[in-house]
Amino acid sequence: DTEVTQTPKHLVMGMTNKKSLKCEQHMGHRAMYWYKQKAKKPPELMFVYSYEKLSINESVPSRFSPECPNSSLLNLHLHALQPEDSALYLCASSQEIQKAYNEKLFFGSGTQLSVL
Amino acid sequence: GEDVEQSLFLSVREGDSSVINCTYTDSSSTYLYWYKQEPGAGLQLLTYIFSNMDMKQDQRLTVLLNKKDKHLSLRIADTQTGDSAIYFCAESSTTSYGKLTFGQGTILTVHP
Repeated sequence: DTEVTQTPKHLVMGMTNKKSLKCEQHMGHRAMYWYKQKAKKPPELMFVYSYEKLSINESVPSRFSPECPNSSLLNLHLHALQPEDSALYLCASSQEIQKAYNEKLFFGSGTQLSVL
Repeated sequence: GEDVEQSLFLSVREGDSSVINCTYTDSSSTYLYWYKQEPGAGLQLLTYIFSNMDMKQDQRLTVLLNKKDKHLSLRIADTQTGDSAIYFCAESSTTSYGKLTFGQGTILTVHP
C-alpha cells in the first residue's frame, strides 16, 4: 500500500464552523506533513510531525490546529477560518526526517476547502 | 534563503520531447526531485536524483544535473497528452531539515 488517503475530498465551511481534515497512511512512514496549496502555485509547508511529535510549525495561525493521534493518522482541526484560507490542503508522508536523507514525499490527493 | 526557479509554461506537440528546466541556489542540496500534479490531484513523485549524480534515466524520463551551474532538467521522451500537468522541481538540503523547497511549477500543455 503506497497511498496517502485524505478525507473529505471537498469541504465548504462558514467562518464560524469547526471542521477537521483527516489523513491516513499505512506505509510505516514516521514523518507526516500538512501543506497548503493555492491554484497553480507550489505547496506551502504548514506542519511536520516526526515520530508523532510536532517537529516544524511554519508560523501557521492558531485557527489551524494539527494533531497526530498515532503513526498512521494525521488530523488538521479548523476553527474560525477566513475566506483567504480557501485552498487545497495536502497531506504527505515520508519514511523519516534526517539530515541529508532522501525525503521522498508521498502526497494524498488533498481536500479542496472553501471558506464562505 | 534557498530559491528554486522554473519557467512557467511549456507547450509541445504530441510525440515530441519536452524539456523542463529548473535552477536552484542552495549549495547544500542533497537530493533534487521532480513532481507531477494533474488537475484536482495531489503531487506525484516522478523521479529524483542525488546531488552527486549527473544523469538518471527512468523509462521516458531523463534527469540531467549540472551541479556547477545548479541547473536541473527533466526530459520527457515521446510526450503524450496524458503528460499535460504542472511539473514541480524541488530540492532538499542539509540546511532545510524536514523541508523541501519547491519551484513555482511549469505548466506543460501537450497538443495533439
